[in-house]
Amino acid sequence: DTGVSQDPRHKITKRGQNVTFRCDPISEHNRLYWYRQTLGQGPEFLTYFQNEAQLEKSRLLSDRFSAERPKGSFSTLEIQRTEQGDSAMYLCASSLWAVGTDTQYFGPGTRLTVL
Amino acid sequence: AQTVTQSQPEMSVQEAETVTLSCTYDTSESDYYLFWYKQPPSRQMILVIRQEAYKQQNATENRFSVNFQKAAKSFSLKISDSQLGDAAMYFCALLPKGTYKYIFGTGTRLKVLA
Repeated sequence: DTGVSQDPRHKITKRGQNVTFRCDPISEHNRLYWYRQTLGQGPEFLTYFQNEAQLEKSRLLSDRFSAERPKGSFSTLEIQRTEQGDSAMYLCASSLWAVGTDTQYFGPGTRLTVL
Repeated sequence: AQTVTQSQPEMSVQEAETVTLSCTYDTSESDYYLFWYKQPPSRQMILVIRQEAYKQQNATENRFSVNFQKAAKSFSLKISDSQLGDAAMYFCALLPKGTYKYIFGTGTRLKVLA
């Protein structure tokens, strides 16, 4: 068990550019989640996958955001035409869903700064 | 609406002393999980302790224990024998059973004084 990993850890970009983040979940986990965390706040749910199916998207996730999880393994989160308001920590988590439990394990996050 | 409230933005504790972090929540669900996560500076969020709402016994993990008061919708975290490595942001989270979206509080920053 190597834990949840995310890449890159930090990303600085200019307004209007596109960025893509990657998350590798714990290998046997079938659920994967994306959260956004701004300074002084707790994480806010963005979207989640069960295997390769994206089952819910928060209204926080505008049309500029897209997430994929091909083959039910790693996931990518892309932000198009970034805005300064997109600056935040983007957290990925995974879990092994089973009846009676769904504890999520978090990655270290990708800190995005939009200039 | 389901909410989690952490009313203490910051707490301090002397090394080796005990500190209690508060969390209250609101949900109409009868069965749910509650969690405390620790987020050290620039490091990932780590699960500290988990409580299942239908279990009356308070969860404990080494120096960490909770005081779960279901009727009062209160879920406080007690850290005994505080260590310098306990310094972090602590988040309380609610997960109604059968759902997948954690609802987090705003966090409490814990400082441990040597």
